[in-house]
Amino acid sequence: AQSVTQLDSQVPVFEEAPVELRCNYSSSVSVYLFWYVQYPNQGLQLLLKYLSGSTLVKGINGFEAEFNKSQTSFHLRKPSVHISDTAEYFCAVSEADAGNMLTFGGGTRLMVKP
Amino acid sequence: DAGITQSPRHKVTETGTPVTLRCHQTENHRYMYWYRQDPGHGLRLIHYSYGVKDTDKGEVSDGYSVSRSKTEDFLLTLESATSSQTSVYFCAISEMGPSGNTIYFGEGSWLTVV
Repeated sequence: AQSVTQLDSQVPVFEEAPVELRCNYSSSVSVYLFWYVQYPNQGLQLLLKYLSGSTLVKGINGFEAEFNKSQTSFHLRKPSVHISDTAEYFCAVSEADAGNMLTFGGGTRLMVKP
Repeated sequence: DAGITQSPRHKVTETGTPVTLRCHQTENHRYMYWYRQDPGHGLRLIHYSYGVKDTDKGEVSDGYSVSRSKTEDFLLTLESATSSQTSVYFCAISEMGPSGNTIYFGEGSWLTVV
């Protein structure tokens, strides 16, 4: 069974600074990887996904993530954050041969300060 | 927008009462899911469905039942609500793609059991 660890529960950062939200997973088979964003009192919105192909994936709002199979990681990055990026971010994984079941990490709250 | 509608969006109920949450989708997706979200736990799968009348348990199914009598509707029932079931409930669907499946979420149902 797969598992997902988001290493930081909270990440404070100043506006216009770069940010990296870390995600590691464990699985014995090939995986699909996802990042979702949740703004306060809202549902989850798909930020980006890795299904196959290039390991560098670009998503909405200027975010990108890199799939590193040897490190079993899928860290999320943005070169310059805005106040509006303040939200909770969830990393999730599904196994490629059971691609309909998602396992989530505990979430990382990104707090962008002026 | 994956065409997912949850109802009710907010509900307060008393301990011991039955509660049913409804998820409605408009795009004929085969797989539907119910997750709950709690601080520090990310999202955890309660039940899922892979077709009409075909359902199975997820990670945290105790105290919950589901039904799917039509492709478009997936109902989650708390037979006798408890305070530990105070949570945010998300419905989701799986969209099939050429490279893999992507799961999209509804806007959530906030349930408070008093």
